[in-house]
Amino acid sequence: GENVEQHPSTLSVQEGDSAVIKCTYSDSASNYFPWYKQELGKGPQLIIDIRSNVGEKKDQRIAVTLNKTAKHFSLHITETQPEDSAVYFCAARGRISSGSARQLTFGSGTQLTVLP
Amino acid sequence: DSGVTQTPKHLITATGQRVTLRCSPRSGDLSVYWYQQSLDQGLQFLIQYYNGEERAKGNILERFSAQQFPDLHSELNLSSLELGDSALYFCASSVSLGTGNQETQYFGPGTRLLVL
Repeated sequence: GENVEQHPSTLSVQEGDSAVIKCTYSDSASNYFPWYKQELGKGPQLIIDIRSNVGEKKDQRIAVTLNKTAKHFSLHITETQPEDSAVYFCAARGRISSGSARQLTFGSGTQLTVLP
Repeated sequence: DSGVTQTPKHLITATGQRVTLRCSPRSGDLSVYWYQQSLDQGLQFLIQYYNGEERAKGNILERFSAQQFPDLHSELNLSSLELGDSALYFCASSVSLGTGNQETQYFGPGTRLLVL
């Protein structure tokens, strides 16, 4: 089934700097890659997503890139602010087992801390 | 606020007991997903319901079951609880089956279960 690896597990940056989080996936048939932000005590919130027919997508300070050949995708946050501090999860929609319908498999998360 | 509601927010119970977690999807969403989030396993997909029917199963134990009612709310039943079942349980919803361009999943705030 699908396996998603996420790095780094923790990331500290100075306010105003950029942050990059990387994920790799195993199922070459995976076709949808969302990124979620989870603040303490809350549920994951979708911040951006990308589909397999697109190589890059931007939304203000957030961008995601996808390399289907290498099976990896990355989240880029520019001009980071203290309110960006949270746990970020990547996910890939692939088959969790042979013959199953596609479901989201999540990475293990990255704790991003933006230092003022 | 994602529009997905979950009750209760917190639940403390003893080993061997049975609990029921409740989820109301966003207005208009037909699919409901259940996830378990623990420190060592991350976010794990448990089960999906679409318009009242079970659609897909993930890593759901036999002691756990779910259902989706005609009004589209869903319940996750956990029985014969063990210490290791302590975790955050999230419900998510999407407009349709989770394929095509309508696969965005919106998460609720979660139910924190503590088994003592």
